[in-house]
Amino acid sequence: EAGVTQFPSHSVIEKGQTVTLRCDPISGHDNLYWYRRVMGKEIKFLLHFVKESKQDESGMPNNRFLAERTGGTYSTLKVQPAELEDSGVYFCASSQVEGGLYGYTFGSGTRLTVV
Amino acid sequence: QKEVEQNSGPLSVPEGAIASLNCTYSDRGSQSFFWYRQYSGKSPELIMSIYSNGDKEDGRFTAQLNKASQYVSLLIRDSQPSDSATYLCAGDFKPGAGSYQLTFGKGTKLSVIP
Repeated sequence: EAGVTQFPSHSVIEKGQTVTLRCDPISGHDNLYWYRRVMGKEIKFLLHFVKESKQDESGMPNNRFLAERTGGTYSTLKVQPAELEDSGVYFCASSQVEGGLYGYTFGSGTRLTVV
Repeated sequence: QKEVEQNSGPLSVPEGAIASLNCTYSDRGSQSFFWYRQYSGKSPELIMSIYSNGDKEDGRFTAQLNKASQYVSLLIRDSQPSDSATYLCAGDFKPGAGSYQLTFGKGTKLSVIP
């Protein structure tokens, strides 16, 4: 079974530019999550999709961040325009059911550097 | 605000020893706790989940949960150099009408010395 796939693995962009991160969850996992780790801090929740619907986006930092999951398969997270403080590692995770009953599987993350 | 606290380490143990990793949490409503292992530049990998008070053993790993004390721990027996990684403690919290969310500690860096 393929795991959670994220790309790109690294992205370096200039302040003010746009970046789009992609996540392919495990096939059949309706629940897809985005998390972020900024330097020196813990991993923090951004949002949760159930199929194509946003279930909870309470962790999104501001309206420069837009997540989509058209068709309920892969998801994208767009940052526009990027700011320096957006630098960090963005993780995607998926699960069979909401909550951790069967655990969450994480991707290897996208390391975003805004310069 | 829900928090998960871990000693950031680094924790160094000799090969073959028991490594003990500890974690406390602030929200009594959480039902599920997880230990993830993360090698540098890699994805967090689930190694243990625990949902009820007591011990749960899986191979060389034992997770312990004490909900009254709001305490979670992970013991690694017969530590190997390949166990050297950052260990993340996480609790699954459901804030109000929102989704279940993992709240992570900052992680404890473990070094197993050959």
